[in-house]
Amino acid sequence: EDKVVQSPLSLVVHEGDTVTLNCSYEVTNFRSLLWYKQEKKAPTFLFMLTSSGIEKKSGRLSSILDKKELFSILNITATQTGDSAVYLCAALKSSGDKLTFGTGTRLAVRP
Amino acid sequence: DAGITQSPRHKVTETGTPVTLRCHQTENHRYMYWYRQDPGHGLRLIHYSYGVKDTDKGEVSDGYSVSRSKTEDFLLTLESATSSQTSVYFCAIWGGGANTGELFFGEGSRLTVL
Repeated sequence: EDKVVQSPLSLVVHEGDTVTLNCSYEVTNFRSLLWYKQEKKAPTFLFMLTSSGIEKKSGRLSSILDKKELFSILNITATQTGDSAVYLCAALKSSGDKLTFGTGTRLAVRP
Repeated sequence: DAGITQSPRHKVTETGTPVTLRCHQTENHRYMYWYRQDPGHGLRLIHYSYGVKDTDKGEVSDGYSVSRSKTEDFLLTLESATSSQTSVYFCAIWGGGANTGELFFGEGSRLTVL
């Protein structure tokens, strides 16, 4: 059975802190690892990682994939209150273009 | 905006009644997905479609059926709703194909089964 596990489940930090969110996966026919941000409504896409060891960056957010150890991390530097959200990771399979999601990490950034 | 809309956005119904949720896309995408989201479980795939009249089960398909008679519409039906099906339901399509990673979600349909 395919499995994606995220840690921690929730996190409270203060503005300016740096956070690291973790995602491990056990998925057959693995193709890519994706990160999404979910605020009040639907998830929105952040990153897609297919190759091991290549960091992807977008502003204060960055992510990297380790296909040997089957995990990914999402880093957020200099956090802001607008970063408060649930962060979801998901594993994409080669067959059927299907995603298996983790349960998410709820991040709260206090002023 | 990926041009994906869901209806109804909110629905309260009673146990045993049939319910149909509609997902409509304007992007002509081949793949469409129905997920449910529950606290502690994240997003779980119910059913998906890879073309008109072509559908397959996801990980939590029991109690649900789907139909896709047109490219733009993907319907999710609960034949006899149960309280365990109280959830938020999301429809999704790939924005530029799975290679982009950009899975676009509808706004969600909140269903409460009393």
